[in-house]
Amino acid sequence: EIVLTQSPATLSLSPGERATLSCRASQSIQHYLAWYQQRPGQAPRLLIYDTSARAAGVPARFSGSGSGTDFTLTITALEPEDFAVYYCQQRRSWPTFGGGTKVEI
Amino acid sequence: EAQLSESGGGLVQPGGSLRLSCEASGFTFSTYAMSWVRQAPGKGPEWVAGISNSGGRIGYADSVQGRFTISRDNSKNTMYLQMNRLRAEDTAIYYCAKDLWTIPGGFDCWGRGTVVTVSS
Repeated sequence: EIVLTQSPATLSLSPGERATLSCRASQSIQHYLAWYQQRPGQAPRLLIYDTSARAAGVPARFSGSGSGTDFTLTITALEPEDFAVYYCQQRRSWPTFGGGTKVEI
Repeated sequence: EAQLSESGGGLVQPGGSLRLSCEASGFTFSTYAMSWVRQAPGKGPEWVAGISNSGGRIGYADSVQGRFTISRDNSKNTMYLQMNRLRAEDTAIYYCAKDLWTIPGGFDCWGRGTVVTVSS
């Protein structure tokens, strides 16, 4: 099983600031990484797939990068609705998720 | 607009069984893989099982292998999860998720979830 480790566990920022979230895989997953946002009481929402492709309707302030084992989700200027938990997920093998990063005010 | 609706959750004793259903609408169901993803209270999502668009390729998480069975009926736009020998650690919200592709890998549409509680 491919293990995904996210860091930091919590990121404390203010609206308008830049957020940088990391996801590290236990082995190479090539470019097969997705990012999800989850707000309280809601299902996860797909933001990015295959490292850098934005899902339909996702604002341009969300971007993804990386390859192999190290990946990054960047939110260029946080909006109030961006304060949530973010998960990475790989599809190099059967899907697995990371433990999450909470972006809080 | 793609929509998914889960049903079948509830309270069950350890060792018991439940069958979850996921009804899909708003997209061509037979084109896409589908998965079940669960989330225990206060935890992150865990992929449970996935099935390719045709049903020919199926996978399970190690934690449920041999106890859970995923299936789909493309004529009814419905996916199922038969859960046997349930354990306390299976307690979670179970989400139905539509894949981006024909094999499980990335989930662009999720249902609201159905709650499964395993307790005596």
